[in-house]
Amino acid sequence: GQNIDQPTEMTATEGAIVQINCTYQTSGFNGLFWYQQHAGEAPTFLSYNVLDGLEEKGRFSSFLSRSKGYSYLLLKELQMKDSASYLCAVKDSNYQLIWGAGTKLIIKP
Amino acid sequence: DAMVIQNPRYQVTQFGKPVTLSCSQTLNHNVMYWYQQKSSQAPKLLFHYYDKDFNNEADTPDNFQSRRPNTSFCFLDIRSPGLGDAAMYLCATSLIAGGTSGANVLTFGAGSRLTVL
Repeated sequence: GQNIDQPTEMTATEGAIVQINCTYQTSGFNGLFWYQQHAGEAPTFLSYNVLDGLEEKGRFSSFLSRSKGYSYLLLKELQMKDSASYLCAVKDSNYQLIWGAGTKLIIKP
Repeated sequence: DAMVIQNPRYQVTQFGKPVTLSCSQTLNHNVMYWYQQKSSQAPKLLFHYYDKDFNNEADTPDNFQSRRPNTSFCFLDIRSPGLGDAAMYLCATSLIAGGTSGANVLTFGAGSRLTVL
């Protein structure tokens, strides 16, 4: 079967750095997405990785290793507003989007 | 601003009373999706349209139906809501469904939260 694994919950301190990991087992690969979702709101797009390596976008960076079936989202200079769930999703060989259950990130002052 | 708009944001219904949720988009995207999301769970795809082509997920209950009368609008009909249908319903769009370009990034609406009494 197809599977996306992410930690259920993480806690970090304001101003610090946090890395949220995502491992996947899917039938084929056509890209990996990271979305941010605040409680009770819709997911908003953060990043899309198709090739191996690190992509940086302001305070957020996303890394992909296709051979390891692994990605991480790196958040720097954490702010209280970064408290949210972070969803990892992979497009498989049929272009179906397989979603992880999300990692709830709690930021403490 | 181009966007995806869902109405209503909050819907309360009684057990068995039909509900319709709407979604409109000004992005001119070809693909529209309906997801169901329960608390602390991954979004679950119910169905999607590529233009007028309807694609139903195998495990979507018959209780859920959808209509896409034109490019801009899509509706989710829940014919006889049960307590287990209480969830956030998310509409999303993308320019295309395949490929590996940014054109298949999903843009979500704000969601419709359904409560079933």
